[in-house]
Amino acid sequence: QVTLRESGPALVKPTQTLTLTCTFSGFSLNTNGVCMSWVRRTPGKALEWLARVDWDGAKYYNNSLKTRLTISKDTSKNEVVLRMTNMGPADRGTYFCARSSKYGFPLDFWGPGTLVAVSS
Amino acid sequence: QAVLTQPPSASGAPGQTITISCSGATSNIGSNSLSWYQLRPGAAPKLLIYNNHERPSGVSDRFSASKSGTSASLAVSGLRSGDEADYYCASWDDRLRGPVFGAGTTVTVV
Repeated sequence: QVTLRESGPALVKPTQTLTLTCTFSGFSLNTNGVCMSWVRRTPGKALEWLARVDWDGAKYYNNSLKTRLTISKDTSKNEVVLRMTNMGPADRGTYFCARSSKYGFPLDFWGPGTLVAVSS
Repeated sequence: QAVLTQPPSASGAPGQTITISCSGATSNIGSNSLSWYQLRPGAAPKLLIYNNHERPSGVSDRFSASKSGTSASLAVSGLRSGDEADYYCASWDDRLRGPVFGAGTTVTVV
């Protein structure tokens, strides 16, 4: 059974760095073709893909946020971590981690998401 | 701002069929496969459709989808109260080199 769960702070201050962890089970990120992505849903409901890390260590970022994002994986712990620097009010929303078993798309399993607010 | 265009809302009576449209561009829908997702409050998003019209194991055949050119649609037949959710289309975008999504359509069963 594939499960994913996001964890991290519910509130960050403006300019701070957000660190989110995705803990998963039921599959291995060492398996060829398996990729893990982060997606966020803003208060306006839009979904936005943020970053992806692949089974072979390759990493990809949303061009518009590239300078602020870092994605990493720890296959021994079944974890994927996203760091987003310089958080601002526009970054508030629900952050999801999601798996693809076929080279990045589609995203076939998702976590329930974690809500992040940005406020001083 | 979403890359793919969806209507903000759709509604229907129990038992009816509703259709949600999704339009994009040659760099996304026109060149790549489309998927559809269901988002309910507090629940993990669920993949309903992949490869334009395929259903993952366990997804009801009341959900069907099609694609033509740079547009696609999702149909939900035999509408039930449990179908109330937000529905998103998504496609790979060759220009942006990542998945792009619609803004979501809120389905209400009236």
